[in-house]
Amino acid sequence: EIVMTQSPATLSVSPGESAILSCRASQSVYSNLAWYQQKPGQTPRLLIYGASTRATGIPARFIGGGSGTEFTLTISSLQSEDFAVYYCQQYNKWLRGSFGQGTKVEIK
Amino acid sequence: QVQLVQSGAEVKKPGASAKVSCKASGGTFTNHVFSWVRQAPGQGLEWMGGIIPVFGTADYAQRFQGRVTITTDESTSTAYLQLNSLSSEDTAMYYCARTQETYQEIGGLPLMDVWGQGTTVTVSS
Repeated sequence: EIVMTQSPATLSVSPGESAILSCRASQSVYSNLAWYQQKPGQTPRLLIYGASTRATGIPARFIGGGSGTEFTLTISSLQSEDFAVYYCQQYNKWLRGSFGQGTKVEIK
Repeated sequence: QVQLVQSGAEVKKPGASAKVSCKASGGTFTNHVFSWVRQAPGQGLEWMGGIIPVFGTADYAQRFQGRVTITTDESTSTAYLQLNSLSSEDTAMYYCARTQETYQEIGGLPLMDVWGQGTTVTVSS
């Protein structure tokens, strides 16, 4: 099974600054990588798929990058509503997926 | 607009089984990839398994093999997750999710565009 590793576990950022989240796969997943946002008490929401394509309605400040085994999610000019936990997920095989352990973006 | 509506909260004794349902409405059912994900209190997301209703055969995460069964009922557009031999470590929120595209368009890959509201399963003696 493909193991996904996210770093850092927690990121402290001031509003208006940028945040860069990392995700590493134990083997290549090509561009079959998604990012989800989850706020306390809420269901996860798809942000990015195909490593860099924003889902419908997702603001342009969310930028996904990378391919193969190394991926990043950049959130530029953080807004108050962006403080949340972010998960990466690989979906490289028929029916099979796995998540990273999450990165919490908190207010500095 | 596709919606996934899950069954209500469950409380189970250790050793029992739990069966959670996920009813899809507002779109087609048989040709999409359905996934089940769980989240223990204060923990991250954990992929459990997936199924494409038109094929009916599910795939599971290794750690749940032999203890979990994912099925679908096309007549009611409902997906099911059954987890057996419950222990306190299975106390979690269980989510179903579905691809927006058909399995043909997405190659059977379990992207999770649409999510159910979650079902809490509590295991306690």
